[in-house]
Amino acid sequence: KQEVTQIPAALSVPEGENLVLNCSFTDSAIYNLQWFRQDPGKGLTSLLLIQSSQREQTSGRLNASLDKSSGRSTLYIAASQPGDSATYLCAVGMDSNYQLIWGAGTKLIIKP
Amino acid sequence: EAQVTQNPRYLITVTGKKLTVTCSQNMNHEYMSWYRQDPGLGLRQIYYSMNVEVTDKGDVPEGYKVSRKEKRNFPLILESPSPNQTSLYFCASTRDRAGELFFGEGSRLTVL
Repeated sequence: KQEVTQIPAALSVPEGENLVLNCSFTDSAIYNLQWFRQDPGKGLTSLLLIQSSQREQTSGRLNASLDKSSGRSTLYIAASQPGDSATYLCAVGMDSNYQLIWGAGTKLIIKP
Repeated sequence: EAQVTQNPRYLITVTGKKLTVTCSQNMNHEYMSWYRQDPGLGLRQIYYSMNVEVTDKGDVPEGYKVSRKEKRNFPLILESPSPNQTSLYFCASTRDRAGELFFGEGSRLTVL
């Protein structure tokens, strides 16, 4: 059974720092992987979507990588800003069905 | 504007009183799904639908029903709500399994 783990559960860094969030999964038979952002009391917003055949995707200050063989994905945030404070979740799309398996998220706080 | 719309956004009800949470998307997406989000448990999939009249159970389907009679709508039905169904519910849609997932704003349900 696929398990998705996000470490750390919480992270607090000063504004301006570059940072990396981690997502690991146990079953490499994935279809794709998505990173989402969730603000308190709000819905989820898709940040980056990586298909299983891709190694990375970039959007602005965000870069997500995927290594299927090692069961890992990272979300790199460059030059962090207070507005980046949110919970970041990764979700793995399974090859065998339409289910998404979710990590528990990393709560990120950027201190001004 | 492309969006997923859920109603109601907030609801307090009593045990056993049937309720329906509606979900509608205006993007002509094939795939729709329902999630619940609980502190410490993360996002868990309740049901999903790959197309009209095609639905399947997610991880936690007990106590819920869904229907997909039209492509744009995917209501979540609680026939006899219980307090353990108190949660934050999200509806989501995507064009297909390779596409970006769009979320509604969420429906906070309290069952007394």
